[in-house]
Amino acid sequence: EDQVTQSPEALRLQEGESSSLNCSYTVSGLRGLFWYRQDPGKGPEFLFTLYSAGEEKEKERLKATLTKKESFLHITAPKPEDSATYLCAVQAKQGGSEKLVFGKGTKLTVNP
Amino acid sequence: NAGVMQNPRHLVRRRGQEARLRCSPMKGHSHVYWYRQLPEEGLKFMVYLQKENIIDESGMPKERFSAEFPKEGPSILRIQQVVRGDSAAYFCASSRPGQAANYGYTFGSGTRLTVV
Repeated sequence: EDQVTQSPEALRLQEGESSSLNCSYTVSGLRGLFWYRQDPGKGPEFLFTLYSAGEEKEKERLKATLTKKESFLHITAPKPEDSATYLCAVQAKQGGSEKLVFGKGTKLTVNP
Repeated sequence: NAGVMQNPRHLVRRRGQEARLRCSPMKGHSHVYWYRQLPEEGLKFMVYLQKENIIDESGMPKERFSAEFPKEGPSILRIQQVVRGDSAAYFCASSRPGQAANYGYTFGSGTRLTVV
């Protein structure tokens, strides 16, 4: 069974204090690993898709990396507006299904 | 571009009533997905539909739940005889054929169902 585990569950940072969020996964053939951001009361907002080990993608203060077993979301010099829950999800190659398997998320709070 | 529209945003039903959740995908998107988010849980896949077809319903409970995406109109997630355990946020996402992986799935803001 495909599984995604995110850590930590919650993270508090001071503005400017860089850190990383972890996403460990097991999947029967990875088709893609997705990162989303979710603000309270809203739906997930797409950030990145990673396909193969060694791949990296960046967007503003965020950088996502991928290995064969985990992905990291690095946040450089975060600002209070980066506060949100960050979700990781995997999509398996098998079966042709488009479904995503999500982790429970990491709730990030950035204090000014 | 209005994005994925879900309504209602909040829905309160008494135990035993029916709940109907609606989702209008983004313009040009013909694939629709429904996910459920229980308190303190991650998003769980329920069903994947294309126009007039259910492609994957492996995440749907066997009883009381059904989904459709007619040729005209929004996708509907229907929950019959609701129970307290159905209380959750239900999210709809949409994508273009073959582009979900590259551009992600666009999610709506969800419908928060409360069963009293």
